[in-house]
Amino acid sequence: EPEVTQTPSHQVTQMGQEVILRCVPISNHLYFYWYRQILGQKVEFLVSFYNNEISEKSEIFDDQFSVERPDGSNFTLKIRSTKLEDSAMYFCASSGPGTRYEQYFGPGTRLTVT
Amino acid sequence: GENVEQHPSTLSVQEGDSAVIKCTYSDSASNYFPWYKQELGKRPQLIIDIRSNVGEKKDQRIAVTLNKTAKHFSLHITETQPEDSAVYFCAASERAGGYNKLIFGAGTRLAVHP
Repeated sequence: EPEVTQTPSHQVTQMGQEVILRCVPISNHLYFYWYRQILGQKVEFLVSFYNNEISEKSEIFDDQFSVERPDGSNFTLKIRSTKLEDSAMYFCASSGPGTRYEQYFGPGTRLTVT
Repeated sequence: GENVEQHPSTLSVQEGDSAVIKCTYSDSASNYFPWYKQELGKRPQLIIDIRSNVGEKKDQRIAVTLNKTAKHFSLHITETQPEDSAVYFCAASERAGGYNKLIFGAGTRLAVHP
């Protein structure tokens, strides 16, 4: 069964550095999402992406964040200048075409900002 | 915006007993309600979902009920097994234009004791 994949599984970076988190959604899916989960807390919506543009973004998704689908398979989340409070698990998700509502999550990238 | 409340935060049951987790939502426009199971360090996995045109849905030992008037929905697990131990998240979304932003509850940590 196809799955969403993410790389790296763990990223450690220093405050102020840029990071790029990568995701490969399920191949026939058209809608892509990023969520984050701070340790022990709920999963929070960051952004949704469709047809090469952002559909919706949350208050968390400020100017330091950007998303891109650079080719037909990858979907990336960039954090320009990381802060300590960006430390979290970042999940990519995708959902299918048409009437398919189900979102499938990747394994996550644990981002640690020191 | 949508807000999802989930109860209880922890639930401990004996193997073979039933477990019930309840969620309430605030936005009457929400029309899709998935449940995710998350084992420690793993991705959230979709286990069952329900749309607003349905009152109940069952899949083997798990079932979900939805009361649109009261704006609450519940997950029922029967004949619990130790492998059901995990954190369960409910979510709600208003499907719009094909994509759906999931708003999650805070999670319920279920422990099933042999």
